[in-house]
Amino acid sequence: GQQVMQIPQYQHVQEGEDFTTYCNSSTTLSNIQWYKQRPGGHPVFLIQLVKSGEVKKQKRLTFQFGEAKKNSSLHITATQTTDVGTYFCAGRARDDKIIFGKGTRLHILP
Amino acid sequence: GAGVSQSPSNKVTEKGKDVELRCDPISGHTALYWYRQSLGQGLEFLIYFQGNSAPDKSGLPSDRFSAERTGGSVSTLTIQRTQQEDSAVYLCASSLVTGWPGGWTGELFFGEGSRLTVL
Repeated sequence: GQQVMQIPQYQHVQEGEDFTTYCNSSTTLSNIQWYKQRPGGHPVFLIQLVKSGEVKKQKRLTFQFGEAKKNSSLHITATQTTDVGTYFCAGRARDDKIIFGKGTRLHILP
Repeated sequence: GAGVSQSPSNKVTEKGKDVELRCDPISGHTALYWYRQSLGQGLEFLIYFQGNSAPDKSGLPSDRFSAERTGGSVSTLTIQRTQQEDSAVYLCASSLVTGWPGGWTGELFFGEGSRLTVL
């Protein structure tokens, strides 16, 4: 079945450093979504990428969708304490299931 | 309501008992998903409903788990003969889908989850 792998599982960075999480799917995706879950909260949608090679930016966050539509990345520039949380990618295949990666937990060291 | 509503927010039960978890999606959202999240872990897909079509049950971990969606709206996830390994947060999410199948799946809106503890 469809699998979505995400690395790293954990990341500790000093405040102000950059952060990147990577997502790989075992199958070609129709689209990929990214979510953020704060400690004790539920996942909240960040963005959706649909086109091959698409790049989208939200302030300090940059999202990329691979040419083959099987991988994606989220890059945060100059992390802040408000960036703390777990970042999930979620891939949608042709069967319309949305499968989540295991997430990357980001810790910010002051 | 304005968002996805789940109940109960917390459920403590004894091993072997049955539990029902309820999800009330955003009005007009045709897609509804159930996920399970164990402590500190990712979201495990359980089941997906889209409109009046047969649900995708491929993520249900055993035949003790079942779900239904009545009238294309409220959904109930039932776990029979609960086991300790069923302890987790059960998250429901709904989404607006246009041009299904193969069309545009919008963002998932999650409820606050139902935390299940099996003693």
